[in-house]
Amino acid sequence: DTGVSQDPRHKITKRGQNVTFRCDPISEHNRLYWYRQTLGQGPEFLTYFQNEAQLEKSRLLSDRFSAERPKGSFSTLEIQRTEQGDSAMYLCASSPQGDDQPQHFGDGTRLSIL
Amino acid sequence: AQKITQTQPGMFVQEKEAVTLDCTYDTSDQSYGLFWYKQPSSGEMIFLIYQGSYDEQNATEGRYSLNFQKARKSANLVISASQLGDSAMYFCAMRLLTSGTYKYIFGTGTRLKVLA
Repeated sequence: DTGVSQDPRHKITKRGQNVTFRCDPISEHNRLYWYRQTLGQGPEFLTYFQNEAQLEKSRLLSDRFSAERPKGSFSTLEIQRTEQGDSAMYLCASSPQGDDQPQHFGDGTRLSIL
Repeated sequence: AQKITQTQPGMFVQEKEAVTLDCTYDTSDQSYGLFWYKQPSSGEMIFLIYQGSYDEQNATEGRYSLNFQKARKSANLVISASQLGDSAMYFCAMRLLTSGTYKYIFGTGTRLKVLA
């Protein structure tokens, strides 16, 4: 069990630039989730994949945000035309099938917008 | 509204004592799951314990137990024999199944400090 891996760990970019984050889930997990966490808050759900299908997308996810999981393995989260308010920790989690299965989280990607 | 409420922004406990972290939830769904996670200062989210809405017994995992009171919609985490390494943020989360898809809602967390 190598755990959930996220890349990069930190990203600093200028406002208006596009950024892309990658998440590699635990290999046998078919469910994958993206969250955003700001300082002092709990994770906010962004989107959920079961295999390659994106089944749920939060209203928090504006049209500047897009996520993919093309082969049901790794996933990418892209933010276009970044804004100051996008500064946050972006967490990825995965879980196997089963209602009682917990999510396993990666260490996150911290995004800072200058 | 579907919501998780953690009313204690911060808690202190003496080492080796027990502590209860409060969590109340709001949902009209009959089937749901409740999770507790620990987030140390290093940032990773660590799963602690799970309780299903149909589970009649309170969940226990080592020093962690979940005091589930369904009628009151509360799912408090009890940590027994606190250790210095328990100092962290603790999040309560609810898993809902809506239209065949899963959604997780997290509370705002409780910061626990264990005192030597």
